[in-house]
Amino acid sequence: GAVVSQHPSWVICKSGTSVKIECRSLDFQATTMFWYRQFPKQSLMLMATSNEGSKATYEQGVEKDKFLINHASLTLSTLTVTSAHPEDSSFYICSARDRGRNQPQHFGDGTRLSIL
Amino acid sequence: AQSVAQPEDQVNVAEGNPLTVKCTYSVSGNPYLFWYVQYPNRGLQFLLKYITGDNLVKGSYGFEAEFNKSQTSFHLKKPSALVSDSALYFCAVRVNFNKFYFGSGTKLNVKP
Repeated sequence: GAVVSQHPSWVICKSGTSVKIECRSLDFQATTMFWYRQFPKQSLMLMATSNEGSKATYEQGVEKDKFLINHASLTLSTLTVTSAHPEDSSFYICSARDRGRNQPQHFGDGTRLSIL
Repeated sequence: AQSVAQPEDQVNVAEGNPLTVKCTYSVSGNPYLFWYVQYPNRGLQFLLKYITGDNLVKGSYGFEAEFNKSQTSFHLKKPSALVSDSALYFCAVRVNFNKFYFGSGTKLNVKP
């Protein structure tokens, strides 16, 4: 079945560092990928929709200058958390949807980001 | 507004017993409904979906879900629970071609 690979799975870094997370669709082309943030014991919060070859669409309240999204190809989207601070610590999950009207989203295994 | 609700934060069931994880939805138009499972420190895995057709949808790992339009529900079920089914379960609704909204999640505990 469809596989989405997310890397890295765990990041620990100092405050002020910028962190890049990659999301790849391994066996299908994804014109659209999604970035979610999940707080402990909570549901997924959609941050932005990443469109190949165009600007990402951010949800209300999500700072686009803070969370930079690039979707340069049909199989790769990246999320860069710029100048990360402890409040950015969270579990970030990407997903991608295969072409076809009724296809489900396929999720990466997530990235645990811890800012010290 | 489009939304899904999972009224139970946690469901406890003994191994071998049937399980039900509840989900209700509120959408305009025809609902596209999904169930996902999440294991610790992992992403979500797709279990099943309802688009059209039979109200009883069968999915992965022996799970099934029943779409009930009059009750606006899409409860997840399994006839005989396994300890390995213990995880976090999310109901989701697709509100347009791309956007999904997820319920708050229900933690399923299956005890031996």
